[in-house]
Amino acid sequence: AQSVTQLDSQVPVFEEAPVELRCNYSSSVSVYLFWYVQYPNQGLQLLLKYLSGSTLVKGINGFEAEFNKSQTSFHLRKPSVHISDTAEYFCAVGLYNFNKFYFGSGTKLNVKP
Amino acid sequence: GAVVSQHPSRVICKSGTSVKIECRSLDFQATTMFWYRQFPKKSLMLMATSNEGSKATYEQGVEKDKFLINHASLTLSTLTVTSAHPEDSSFYICSARGGGDNQPQHFGDGTRLSIL
Repeated sequence: AQSVTQLDSQVPVFEEAPVELRCNYSSSVSVYLFWYVQYPNQGLQLLLKYLSGSTLVKGINGFEAEFNKSQTSFHLRKPSVHISDTAEYFCAVGLYNFNKFYFGSGTKLNVKP
Repeated sequence: GAVVSQHPSRVICKSGTSVKIECRSLDFQATTMFWYRQFPKKSLMLMATSNEGSKATYEQGVEKDKFLINHASLTLSTLTVTSAHPEDSSFYICSARGGGDNQPQHFGDGTRLSIL
């Protein structure tokens, strides 16, 4: 069975500090990995994706994520956050030859001044 | 690129009314569209998957007759909440995907449905 775990439901951080949002998954088949951001009362916006190749993926808004196959993780990082990064972040896993995504439960990033 | 438009953004209506939500892919052909429901402080719950020209595949526990999905073209899918009741109040989000299984889903901005 497939699952996606975002252990941290909330992450408070001060502005300009670095942040890491954790995502672990379990799957018996090869995966594609995605991070999405959701601002209040809006849909989800794609931040970045890992399909294959380099395990370090850079996305929009200065975010990056690293795929670690041995640890089945895809943690999202940003070296210096801004107030505008306050939002909810979802990790998603897609499977080879399969239509659906599996979403984590989300992590609320709260950037404080 | 990859813009998905969802309309309306907010609906308030009386109990017993049927409500239709549209999801359009504006600049790509969406071979598959997904409908999600999001409860407060919760993740997305997949309701159904629809492929253009075929019947939607509903997730377990989702009433087919309650939530009617039509995917008549490669750019449009609709979700109709029939005879809506207050417990159907929620945030509904669609997503669309073109191409193969390695393509991301692109999301609409969601519809806030409030049934009085």
